[in-house]
Amino acid sequence: GQQVMQIPQYQHVQEGEDFTTYCNSSTTLSNIQWYKQRPGGHPVFLIQLVKSGEVKKQKRLTFQFGEAKKNSSLHITATQTTDVGTYFCAGPSRYNFNKFYFGSGTKLNVKP
Amino acid sequence: NAGVMQNPRHLVRRRGQEARLRCSPMKGHSHVYWYRQLPEEGLKFMVYLQKENIIDESGMPKERFSAEFPKEGPSILRIQQVVRGDSAAYFCASSPRTSGGHNEQFFGPGTRLTVL
Repeated sequence: GQQVMQIPQYQHVQEGEDFTTYCNSSTTLSNIQWYKQRPGGHPVFLIQLVKSGEVKKQKRLTFQFGEAKKNSSLHITATQTTDVGTYFCAGPSRYNFNKFYFGSGTKLNVKP
Repeated sequence: NAGVMQNPRHLVRRRGQEARLRCSPMKGHSHVYWYRQLPEEGLKFMVYLQKENIIDESGMPKERFSAEFPKEGPSILRIQQVVRGDSAAYFCASSPRTSGGHNEQFFGPGTRLTVL
């Protein structure tokens, strides 16, 4: 079954509102990676977090990796129409490096 | 440094035919992943390969699907006797994996397969 789930599946926001997607894994991960896929495009790497409890920021984006390394979140402050797309979390199993899991994705739509 | 290349970008096949999708990883990358994406759905992991080795094929259907990454040349995802349900976008990604584990993946533009 699905190892890495993301909620919500879809999110519609007004431009300027904040947005958060949550990533939950059934297994401990070695690291967590985030990708963004624009409509009609391919996934593009955003960031990687490795340490338990790590927090990283990229302009309006804030990424967190949970203490137990089983969950993560991506928060976007003051969304813009350029933020439209699907956000995926992904990561390898801590106990089996050969296992790599991709999250189910959260599709973000931003109304101007 | 050219990115990950996939060809063809669009492929149309009739039911029962074979589909052969190619992926050339970025220079220096020895790890390749294949994913399938149905319309309006997420990425589904299919297979993870290193040169001449299949590392994890747990996401690949047992029948009709096969993948290889030879010592020379691109990685190939082969679908035999295609059915309509195989219509999807197939993405390849490559990674310069180090001893520290899986690193960021660089995705190709995808092959859109349509089965008539």
